[in-house]
Amino acid sequence: KQEVTQIPAALSVPEGENLVLNCSFTDSAIYNLQWFRQDPGKGLTSLLLIQSSQREQTSGRLNASLDKSSGRSTLYIAASQPGDSATYLCAVRRGSTLGRLYFGRGTQLTVWP
Amino acid sequence: ETGVTQSPTHLIKTRGQQVTLRCSSQSGHNTVSWYQQALGQGPQFIFQYYREEENGRGNFPPRFSGLQFPNYSSELNVNALELDDSALYLCASSIPGQGSEYGYTFGSGTRLTVV
Repeated sequence: KQEVTQIPAALSVPEGENLVLNCSFTDSAIYNLQWFRQDPGKGLTSLLLIQSSQREQTSGRLNASLDKSSGRSTLYIAASQPGDSATYLCAVRRGSTLGRLYFGRGTQLTVWP
Repeated sequence: ETGVTQSPTHLIKTRGQQVTLRCSSQSGHNTVSWYQQALGQGPQFIFQYYREEENGRGNFPPRFSGLQFPNYSSELNVNALELDDSALYLCASSIPGQGSEYGYTFGSGTRLTVV
């Protein structure tokens, strides 16, 4: 069974800091890994998708890396802003195009001015 | 129409009642999945539909059932509601990869409260 763990569970930082959120998974037979953002009581917004054959993806101030063999991914947020405050969820898809997603519990991020 | 839309956005039901939640998948997406997210937890997989057939199921009892229609929209039905069914229910759609790769697109969710 796939287990996904996210560390830290919560993070509170001043504006402008560079951040690293961590995600680990137990089964390396994944199809891809997706990072999501969730605002309180809302749905999930996809941030970055990394295929199992890729090492990293970038979008604006966000960069996600994947080390499939060690079962790890990191989400790097540069120059954090108060608008980045949200819960960040990591999800891995099992090894097929129709595979389900396994989620971590998320990292709750607060960026204060 | 783009994006995944879910209805209703909020719902309050009494224990023992039945509920139907609805989802319209993103245009062109033929795979729909449903997830349950309890407060403070990550989403948990309920089941997935691909071309109107159930294609996988998580650890949920049979009183959780679903349908996918020819236009790829979907319903989640929950019978005999229990207090623990109170959660945010998320619908996600995708296209299985065919040499190109896609992630899941999620809707805004339905907040179900069972009292």
